Amino acid sequence: AQTVTQSQPEMSVQEAETVTLSCTYDTSESNYYLFWYKQPPSRQMILVIRQEAYKQQNATENRFSVNFQKAAKSFSLKISDSQLGDTAMYFCAFVTRGANSKLTFGKGITLSVRP
Amino acid sequence: DTAVSQTPKYLVTQMGNDKSIKCEQNLGHDTMYWYKQDSKKFLKIMFSYNNKELIINETVPNRFSPKSPDKAHLNLHINSLELGDSAVYFCASSKMRDYGYTFGSGTRLTVV
Repeated sequence: AQTVTQSQPEMSVQEAETVTLSCTYDTSESNYYLFWYKQPPSRQMILVIRQEAYKQQNATENRFSVNFQKAAKSFSLKISDSQLGDTAMYFCAFVTRGANSKLTFGKGITLSVRP
Repeated sequence: DTAVSQTPKYLVTQMGNDKSIKCEQNLGHDTMYWYKQDSKKFLKIMFSYNNKELIINETVPNRFSPKSPDKAHLNLHINSLELGDSAVYFCASSKMRDYGYTFGSGTRLTVV
């Protein structure tokens, strides 16, 4: 079975500081994709960043970057220069390649950015 | 120019009623999904269609029936609604072999 674990239910960070959200996953597959999605109070699911497992280089999107450790099955999200608009729930998600693949989510973490 | 649009955004109905949620995507994606987000915010897949063919059917009560008239549309019909069906239902789509899912804005269903 494929599982995604986000063990921190809540985190808080001061505006302009850096925060790291943790995620681990479990799979026997070698070819897969990892994602972080953001869900603000508007409830829209927004793709923040994606990582392809066969790429060793960590993905970066502006203030968002990941630390992908394939051997440890770890995929953490770093948010630099936190902004008030980053306040949201963040979900780590995982999908394997294949015709019947499905995106599997972790339980999510609530991030609050303090002014 | 919404990529994945769901209607309605909010739905309040009584127990025992039948209701439908509609979803349309204009991204040219060939796979569409229904996800349910429960009161604890956990997201779980319900169904997946690829080019109108059902390819994923998770353990969902028979009262839920998806229908895909074409690859741009995926509707969800729910019979005999129960209190436990109250949740946010998300439609999503993806392109084969791309795996980046685009989500609609969700439908908050409240059964009273």
